[in-house]
Amino acid sequence: EDQVTQSPEALRLQEGESSSLNCSYTVSGLRGLFWYRQDPGKGPEFLFTLYSAGEEKEKERLKATLTKKESFLHITAPKPEDSATYLCAVPGNSGYALNFGKGTSLLVTP
Amino acid sequence: KAGVTQTPRYLIKTRGQQVTLSCSPISGHRSVSWYQQTPGQGLQFLFEYFSETQRNKGNFPGRFSGRQFSNSRSEMNVSTLELGDSALYLCASSKGDSNNEQFFGPGTRLTVL
Repeated sequence: EDQVTQSPEALRLQEGESSSLNCSYTVSGLRGLFWYRQDPGKGPEFLFTLYSAGEEKEKERLKATLTKKESFLHITAPKPEDSATYLCAVPGNSGYALNFGKGTSLLVTP
Repeated sequence: KAGVTQTPRYLIKTRGQQVTLSCSPISGHRSVSWYQQTPGQGLQFLFEYFSETQRNKGNFPGRFSGRQFSNSRSEMNVSTLELGDSALYLCASSKGDSNNEQFFGPGTRLTVL
């Protein structure tokens, strides 16, 4: 069964303290890995799609990378406004349903 | 470009009642997916519609149903509500090809008393 596991469950950083979030997956033939950001009480906001090992994408202080077994979301010099839950997801066998990890809750303090 | 819209944003119902939630996708998107989000289970896939046809269904009981209209708008219905149905129901739209990015609406917060 396809599985997506995210770690850590929660992360507290000081403003400016860089770190990485992990998403490991077990799927038979990866057809994309998606990162989302979710603020409390809101729907997930799309961040990145990665399709092949070695691929990297950046957006402001965020950089997502992909290997054959896991993806990392690197946060460089985070600010308090980066506080949110970060979710990763992979398509199921049909390609239309996303299997989500439980997310990493990030808190960045001033 | 307008994003995905969902109505209503909040609902309070009692056990045994039924509820209908609505979703309007991004203009030009033909696929609509529905997800249930709870603190314990996270985001779980309910079903996906494309061109008024259900293409994929998650592991939820038959009390959960949906449909899609010719303008791509979608509704989901939950009958005989249970306390455990309390959740954030999220709708996502995409262009419709497999592995396309999905863009989420703000969700409908359903509370069952």
